[in-house]
Amino acid sequence: DADVTQTPRNRITKTGKRIMLECSQTKGHDRMYWYRQDPGLGLRLIYYSFDVKDINKGEISDGYSVSRQAQAKFSLSLESAIPNQTALYFCATSDPLRGRDTQYFGPGTRLTVL
Amino acid sequence: AQSVTQLDSHVSVSEGTPVLLRCNYSSSYSPSLFWYVQHPNKGLQLLLKYTSAATLVKGINGFEAEFKKSETSFHLTKPSAHMSDAAEYFCVVSDLGRSSASKIIFGSGTRLSIRP
Repeated sequence: DADVTQTPRNRITKTGKRIMLECSQTKGHDRMYWYRQDPGLGLRLIYYSFDVKDINKGEISDGYSVSRQAQAKFSLSLESAIPNQTALYFCATSDPLRGRDTQYFGPGTRLTVL
Repeated sequence: AQSVTQLDSHVSVSEGTPVLLRCNYSSSYSPSLFWYVQHPNKGLQLLLKYTSAATLVKGINGFEAEFKKSETSFHLTKPSAHMSDAAEYFCVVSDLGRSSASKIIFGSGTRLSIRP
């Protein structure tokens, strides 16, 4: 079984719709992250969470919100989706006590906003 | 401020020849440096990481990277390319302490193609 899972894997939606992407992990890591990947831009950090009560904005948080429901779950929401949020979204986890923040990535969610 | 620059967006080599993927970074702190690989339609997988121990870091699949502080570089190399190495490679600089200045920055990626 995968350690970091993302649902859905693919989603097509329309402008203005609210979308939630979910991430679950069985690695027992405190730190979780949401990134988006766009061609030629690498991955950009949207939000990250050091634990359930500690959530931080990343480089490109505008238009997104997150919820850390439990240590194992970190959800990303697009309150009102727009076409330039079409991208590949990755969730990741890390454990700073082991491996100096090596990131473990989920398989990604491909989101298309029409 | 931290930054990372991958100097080549695309590198093409013949199978069996050496691979060099270049990465330069800047950081105000003592950063951790990583290389990740992404095969088509897959997530990212850690190749190797530097965390202030040995400057020559060995990773999986025969890759290695050398941390050169004087040149602020962390180039990825492999002596002999294999067809299965064709993928996108990302250099990452990280300083994820608990301060508000914590940063993790990905390079824009280098696509490695392998010619038969």
